[in-house]
Amino acid sequence: NAGVTQTPKFQVLKTGQSMTLQCAQDMNHNSMYWYRQDPGMGLRLIYYSASEGTTDKGEVPNGYNVSRLNKREFSLRLESAAPSQTSVYFCASRSSGASGGGTGELFFGEGSRLTVL
Amino acid sequence: AQRVTQPEKLLSVFKGAPVELKCNYSYSGSPELFWYVQYSRQRLQLLLRHISRESIKGFTADLNKGETSFHLKKPFAQEEDSAMYYCALRVRDNFNKFYFGSGTKLNVKP
Repeated sequence: NAGVTQTPKFQVLKTGQSMTLQCAQDMNHNSMYWYRQDPGMGLRLIYYSASEGTTDKGEVPNGYNVSRLNKREFSLRLESAAPSQTSVYFCASRSSGASGGGTGELFFGEGSRLTVL
Repeated sequence: AQRVTQPEKLLSVFKGAPVELKCNYSYSGSPELFWYVQYSRQRLQLLLRHISRESIKGFTADLNKGETSFHLKKPFAQEEDSAMYYCALRVRDNFNKFYFGSGTKLNVKP
């Protein structure tokens, strides 16, 4: 049981390049999230998906797009990378609450460290 | 608006000393609070939830609605407790979004 898997773990881009961060979970969770982690700012929500086929903006969506490909996969795309997008990106999925037999907690991937030069 | 504040960026204590990591939140609804921990080179993982009212690895946290706080405490810190700690607020009526504080790095010295 792998949990939440993110790829790649590390990536260096030049300003203006594009890339996609991949995320997959095997826990049959409905909700998935993308966060960025920056020193002194904690985790900030970029986009989330409450269920398959739906996505919505979080706190810092500018410069990003997402795709909820199916229940398992939720990808994050940078169309034209900027140095301000240098960060560590975390994907997470959420178990159902008590009524669904779960704890409602978030499960995180290992993170993807992105550097934009 | 929802907000989670962790006032301390870094907290250094000696092994065996008590530790308290502060967390305050602002939310007009019924809050659900969590503490997540990130050990060096590991992914974020849940430490404890206020709903379960449990003690994990000797840590406890009590939700104080009057003071809008959810401070994390441990009576005797261990070196293996050194990690980054994040307080998080789950907002059920907003698509279950989680709002995180900026984190506190706990350094337990031998």
